[in-house]
Amino acid sequence: AQKVTQAQTEISVVEKEDVTLDCVYETRDTTYYLFWYKQPPSGELVFLIRRNSFDEQNEISGRYSWNFQKSTSSFNFTITASQVVDSAVYFCALSGVSSNTGKLIFGQGTTLQVKP
Amino acid sequence: EAGVAQSPRYKIIEKRQSVAFWCNPISGHATLYWYQQILGQGPKLLIQFQNNGVVDDSQLPKDRFSAERLKGVDSTLKIQPAKLEDSAVYLCASSKGTLVETQYFGPGTRLLVL
Repeated sequence: AQKVTQAQTEISVVEKEDVTLDCVYETRDTTYYLFWYKQPPSGELVFLIRRNSFDEQNEISGRYSWNFQKSTSSFNFTITASQVVDSAVYFCALSGVSSNTGKLIFGQGTTLQVKP
Repeated sequence: EAGVAQSPRYKIIEKRQSVAFWCNPISGHATLYWYQQILGQGPKLLIQFQNNGVVDDSQLPKDRFSAERLKGVDSTLKIQPAKLEDSAVYLCASSKGTLVETQYFGPGTRLLVL
């Protein structure tokens, strides 16, 4: 079975603080893909990043960075110098190759509130 | 490039009524997904189409939910009759293919069943 756990239900920070959103996954597949999506109040899921299981290099995109560690089955997301516009629900998702469909398994989401 | 379009954005109905949602994927995307997102939860796949064929409908409540993608482009999802527990956001997503392709989501349809 495949599962994604986002243990942090809600996080509140003050603008300019750094914040890390945790994601832990379970899968028996050796080949899989991990994703992060942002869901602002408008409701649309916005794609942030896709990472395959063979690429453990960390990635940085502007104020966003991702830390992928297969040893701990984690794919954490850090926002540096947070801004009010970062306030949203963030979802981590998993797609295992064995499903043969590309179906995404989502975590419960972490609501991030950035206060001015 | 236009994104995934969905309509309506909001719908309020009474239980036992029927409702239909429409989705138009990104041009050229062969795969279309319908997800159900209940408040406070992550989206859950209801049905997946590859062109106009069904790839996965294992979590679709087939006694009341139906979906079609007749010409391999846009799709409709129907609920008949609706139950209170169907209140959720219905998200449509599309991708170029399946396994390695990123899914792009539409704005969703918020359904409230009274």
